[in-house]
Amino acid sequence: DQQVKQNSPSLSVQEGRISILNCDYTNSMFDYFLWYKKYPAEGPTFLISISSIKDKNEDGRFTVFLNKSAKHLSLHIVPSQPGDSAVYFCAASVGNQFYFGTGTSLTVIP
Amino acid sequence: DAGITQSPRYKITETGRQVTLMCHQTWSHSYMFWYRQDLGHGLRLIYYSAAADITDKGEVPDGYVVSRSKTENFPLTLESATRSQTSVYFCASRRRPGLRHNEQFFGPGTRLTVL
Repeated sequence: DQQVKQNSPSLSVQEGRISILNCDYTNSMFDYFLWYKKYPAEGPTFLISISSIKDKNEDGRFTVFLNKSAKHLSLHIVPSQPGDSAVYFCAASVGNQFYFGTGTSLTVIP
Repeated sequence: DAGITQSPRYKITETGRQVTLMCHQTWSHSYMFWYRQDLGHGLRLIYYSAAADITDKGEVPDGYVVSRSKTENFPLTLESATRSQTSVYFCASRRRPGLRHNEQFFGPGTRLTVL
């Protein structure tokens, strides 16, 4: 059974608006959460992460929010740019075991 | 070039054959990982290694063998390939735990087709 879930396979957003990507998890032992971005025919690249002891982390246009009681995290991209169009994976780790969601394909429309 | 590389990038093989996918990193990262990416499953961890000669199973290790005699290399072997092992395989590396981001750095992937 999947421990990290991304229930939206795709998302379309207008350039300049906010993109919100969501992720749910089941294992309360996860100690780190990460977001990766992936372009076709390339490996995932790290975007932003958050420790389980925090509820928000911000890096430029990217902000990750963690709601431990709901076992939910989200990635906000503001403002969205056409270059942000990619597949976004959420991941969670406990020790050296990493679990990834199935990805959300974001399209930013110019 | 510095970074993490995988070879081959594409491979077609037949059921029952042995296949080895190579992974090389130039950062001297302690940790290395192998994942497979399949539609509907995202990335799933096959094996990881904390250092040379130290390996451990991930979520889906059956049918795979790994070794790590040198820090920079982490080959993945399919001893007898099956059609269900058709997938895109990603190698990744990570610095020692406890650093701020805990992120992994991924290679470009190997697309393996088993006929």
